[in-house]
Amino acid sequence: DTGVSQNPRHKITKRGQNVTFRCDPISEHNRLYWYRQTLGQGPEFLTYFQNEAQLEKSRLLSDRFSAERPKGSFSTLEIQRTEQGDSAMYLCASSSRQLRRETQYFGPGTRLLVL
Amino acid sequence: AQKVTQAQTEISVVEKEDVTLDCVYETRDTTYYLFWYKQPPSGELVFLIRRNSFDEQNEISGRYSWNFQKSTSSFNFTITASQVVDSAVYFCALSEPSNNNDMRFGAGTRLTVKP
Repeated sequence: DTGVSQNPRHKITKRGQNVTFRCDPISEHNRLYWYRQTLGQGPEFLTYFQNEAQLEKSRLLSDRFSAERPKGSFSTLEIQRTEQGDSAMYLCASSSRQLRRETQYFGPGTRLLVL
Repeated sequence: AQKVTQAQTEISVVEKEDVTLDCVYETRDTTYYLFWYKQPPSGELVFLIRRNSFDEQNEISGRYSWNFQKSTSSFNFTITASQVVDSAVYFCALSEPSNNNDMRFGAGTRLTVKP
């Protein structure tokens, strides 16, 4: 068990470009979450998956954002036509519903800077 | 509405002092979960504790202890004999089944422990 991993760790892009982040959860975890954290704030929930189904999306997730988890394992978060306000740390977490001790374990995050 | 309030934005103590981080939450659920996470300067959120709303026993783990008071909707975290390595931002979070178990984080408390 290597924990939750995220790639890339850092991304610098120009406004208007598209970016995609990847999250690999802990292998036996069937729930996967995406959060966004801006400087000086706590993480804000964006969306979550149970297996491959996306069960909830926050209002923070505008139509420029899309997340997928095609095989119920890794997930991708894409931001289209990036804006400077998208600059933040994007965190992924995973948990296991079956264990009935549903604690979310976080990855190291992807730090996005939109110039 | 703010679900989790961490009123202390920043705390500074000298090594070996005890320090308590406050957390007050709001929920209408009878079953819910409370968490504390540590975010050191490296940025990765580190899970510290998960507490079920039905379990009001206080918990101690080494120098860490947690005081759960349902009557005041508080879940405070105390570090005894603080060390420089405890310097981090600490987040309290709430998870509610009525909210798909999404975690709602407080704004965090930045703890600085000076040698």
